Amino acid sequence: EIVMTQSPATLSVSPGERATLSCRASQSVSTNLAWYQQKPGQAPRLLIYGASARATGIPARFSGSGSGTEFTLTISSLQSEDFAVYYCQQYNIWPPYTFGQGTRLQIK
Amino acid sequence: QVQLQESGPGLVKPSQTLSLTCTVAGGSISSGIYYWSWIRQPAGKGLEWIGRFYSRGSINYNPSLKSRVTISADTSKNQLSLILSSVTAADAAVYYCARDKGVGNTFFDYWGQGSLVTVSS
Repeated sequence: EIVMTQSPATLSVSPGERATLSCRASQSVSTNLAWYQQKPGQAPRLLIYGASARATGIPARFSGSGSGTEFTLTISSLQSEDFAVYYCQQYNIWPPYTFGQGTRLQIK
Repeated sequence: QVQLQESGPGLVKPSQTLSLTCTVAGGSISSGIYYWSWIRQPAGKGLEWIGRFYSRGSINYNPSLKSRVTISADTSKNQLSLILSSVTAADAAVYYCARDKGVGNTFFDYWGQGSLVTVSS
């Protein structure tokens, strides 16, 4: 099973600033990596797939990069609605498909 | 617009069987285009993929749950089902159904709102 490790566990950033979230895979997942945003009481929402492709309707301030074992989600200018928990997920080697433990992005 | 809606008992006793249904609207689970997964999330924790159904004849499970899980579908009702046997407190979670586009594209673009399952006697 591929283990996905996200860092940091909690990130405090001020609105308008840039946020950088990291995800590391225990072995290469190529670019088969997705990012999700989850707000309290809601289902996750797909942000990024293929490591860098934005899902339908996702604002351009969200960008993904990386390949192999190291990935980054960047939010260029944080809006109030962006404060949430973010998860990465690999879909290169399965079963099972695996998720990271999440990064909580909170207001500084 | 695809909509997924989970339903089922919110409370299950330890050692008993959990049974959930996911009703899909706005798309057919038998179209052969999409795959349909169950994913769960214990309170305050991360996401765990349980397994998935594909109408063209494949069902895949998470090896860690395989011995206790059955996923099936009623295509006439456009419903997906999840059965998890011998539940323990560790199975308490919000259970989601979600859609993906299959091998090589298994990222989840549509999710249900989730069904909370509590395990308690």
